Amino acid sequence: DAGVIQSPRHEVTEMGQEVTLRCKPISGHNSLFWYRQTMMRGLELLIYFNNNVPIDDSGMPEDRFSAKMPNASFSTLKIQPSEPRDSAVYFCASSFSAGKNGYTFGSGTRLTVV
Amino acid sequence: ILNVEQSPQSLHVQEGDSTNFTCSFPSSNFYALHWYRWETAKSPEALFVMTLNGDEKKKGRISATLNTKEGYSYLYIKGSQPEDSATYLCASMEYGNKLVFGAGTILRVKS
Repeated sequence: DAGVIQSPRHEVTEMGQEVTLRCKPISGHNSLFWYRQTMMRGLELLIYFNNNVPIDDSGMPEDRFSAKMPNASFSTLKIQPSEPRDSAVYFCASSFSAGKNGYTFGSGTRLTVV
Repeated sequence: ILNVEQSPQSLHVQEGDSTNFTCSFPSSNFYALHWYRWETAKSPEALFVMTLNGDEKKKGRISATLNTKEGYSYLYIKGSQPEDSATYLCASMEYGNKLVFGAGTILRVKS
C-alpha cells in the first residue's frame, strides 16, 4: 500500500486565491481526518469523516474552509479566499475501526499564502 | 475541550542514555491513548495505541505505560541512539470523540 497520499506537497499562492488540498486515504480505512500544524498551536484537528460522512467540523477555523469526501478514496480541503494566516502544513490521516491501530498520516501539504 | 499535556518540551541526551517522557490527559471519559514518533520532514508514525489501565506496550527499545485512573502515560527509550531523535507526540481520545494531540517532546540524541 502506498499509504495516505496527499497533493500537492507544496503550494504557494497569493492572498485571496482559492486553494484545494487533496487526500487519498488507505484503501479499507473508514475514517479520514484533516489536521493543520502550526508552530503556535501544534497539530489541530480541522474535520473528520466516518464512512465519507463529516462527523465533526468544529475545528474548521472559518467559513472560508470547507471539506468534502465524495467517496471512500478521496477527500478535499478547500480554502476560499486564502489569507496569509492560513500558511501551515496540512496533514490528512486515515484509520480503521476508530484508530485502534493508530492513524496513518500523509506527507502533508505545506501551504504558503503570500 | 480535551487538554493533553506533554513534558518535557525538549530533551537532549547522550547516546546510550535512557530517557522517558510524560503525557497527561483528562481521565474522565477516557477511551484511548496514542503515541506517535515524528521525524523532521516526515509525517507522524504510530508507535502505540493503549486503552486499558495498566497497559504496557513495547517495540524494540521503546516502551510505554498507561494509567487511566490518574490520567498519565510514560514513554521510555532505553539506550537512546541518534536515530531516535524525533518529536514524540501523545494524543488522547474520549468516547465518541476525536483524537487530540499534545504539543510533543522533542528528543535530540548526541553521538
